[in-house]
Amino acid sequence: TQLLEQSPQFLSIQEGENLTVYCNSSSVFSSLQWYRQEPGEGPVLLVTVVTGGEVKKLKRLTFQFGDARKDSSLHITAAQPGDTGLYLCAVESNAGNMLTFGGGTRLMVKP
Amino acid sequence: GAVVSQHPSRVICKSGTSVKIECRSLDFQATTMFWYRQFPKKSLMLMATSNEGSKATYEQGVEKDKFLINHASLTLSTLTVTSAHPEDSSFYICSARGAGSPYEQYFGPGTRLTVT
Repeated sequence: TQLLEQSPQFLSIQEGENLTVYCNSSSVFSSLQWYRQEPGEGPVLLVTVVTGGEVKKLKRLTFQFGDARKDSSLHITAAQPGDTGLYLCAVESNAGNMLTFGGGTRLMVKP
Repeated sequence: GAVVSQHPSRVICKSGTSVKIECRSLDFQATTMFWYRQFPKKSLMLMATSNEGSKATYEQGVEKDKFLINHASLTLSTLTVTSAHPEDSSFYICSARGAGSPYEQYFGPGTRLTVT
């Protein structure tokens, strides 16, 4: 089993719809990161959450870290075609020296 | 944010040859660099971690003699795929972290390797 389970794995929606992507684990983390990756490019960091229950907003994106720091969600309001991409959550190892990624959620927003 | 570059962005090589991929941190000193491999429509899988001036630490299942990593300076790490085979075709991504960024890694744009 993966350390981080992302769901759904794939999501295809129409422009203007809302969506939520989940990142779950049975482990507790000191911090969690969300990345977005477009085809043929490297991942780009969107946000880092470090406090249980923390909510961070980035324009139409809302990130939440679970109270127990075991899970996180990414909510996109009024999705646009430009939001299309692979969304990855990631956590650092306990030694703090490497990132482990979830399986990713591939989002396609149709105009 | 910090900038990490990779070169080349795309390479096609013949089976049996070796290919070197460079990863550079352009505006910061990268104490640690990471190399990932990504298959189509899949997530990133860590191959190895390298600290400047020391040997790389490889993840389980990654052949260190096949994927040679050198982190000779605080701004440059190289990954050499030796005796490449078609199954080595993949998207290789590096990331770098400086001493002052405990949570964040900055990713390069990736290198697409195709072995024919």
